[in-house]
Amino acid sequence: GESVGLHLPTLSVQEGDNSIINCAYSNSASDYFIWYKQESGKGPQFIIDIRSNMDKRQGQRVTVLLNKTVKHLSLQIAATQPGDSAVYFCAEKTGGGNKLTFGTGTQLKVEL
Amino acid sequence: DGGITQSPKYLFRKEGQNVTLSCEQNLNHDAMYWYRQDPGQGLRLIYYSQIVNDFQKGDIAEGYSVSREKKESFPLTVTSAQKNPTAFYLCASSMVGTQYFGPGTRLTVL
Repeated sequence: GESVGLHLPTLSVQEGDNSIINCAYSNSASDYFIWYKQESGKGPQFIIDIRSNMDKRQGQRVTVLLNKTVKHLSLQIAATQPGDSAVYFCAEKTGGGNKLTFGTGTQLKVEL
Repeated sequence: DGGITQSPKYLFRKEGQNVTLSCEQNLNHDAMYWYRQDPGQGLRLIYYSQIVNDFQKGDIAEGYSVSREKKESFPLTVTSAQKNPTAFYLCASSMVGTQYFGPGTRLTVL
């Protein structure tokens, strides 16, 4: 499959632990942010999103935190499972159009 | 079964050949996008289309061409002018904000 994780930062966690994946975004005018999960050889899957008027949003086992002061986004995964192993990357939207700017991603490895 | 489909999953091209990658969506989304993904890099935008019969160049459009004759379809042609076409190509669509991706096509130049 595609080695999309090649040369990417790697986070290794034990099964059952919580994972925190970080993303520094570039544009202070960005108003919408998305986290995607990409398994090897597959297309990215939407996980969770957040608008700039919020600082926290929770989904099923995932939480996104937004710190606009330092332009930082994080994804927290509770009780990490082997199926969570993948590359995770953030995306930001700036302005009124639909174009997104993507980060390079973090490889999450879950150890049994 | 709604979603975005891309075909073929794997594609091999000889140098000097043009190839066309298919992308179809039945989500009734107005906007569609083509990205290229290389190892260790973020997604790079090739072309995008906000509406039928209209499209714009992205950040790396050289050597590629697209058409948007139908709302559901946004094919990408990789021409012989693209000097380094071996990559994983992803198609996406959106209504507002969130983009949803297809499964991708891996193109290899022999």
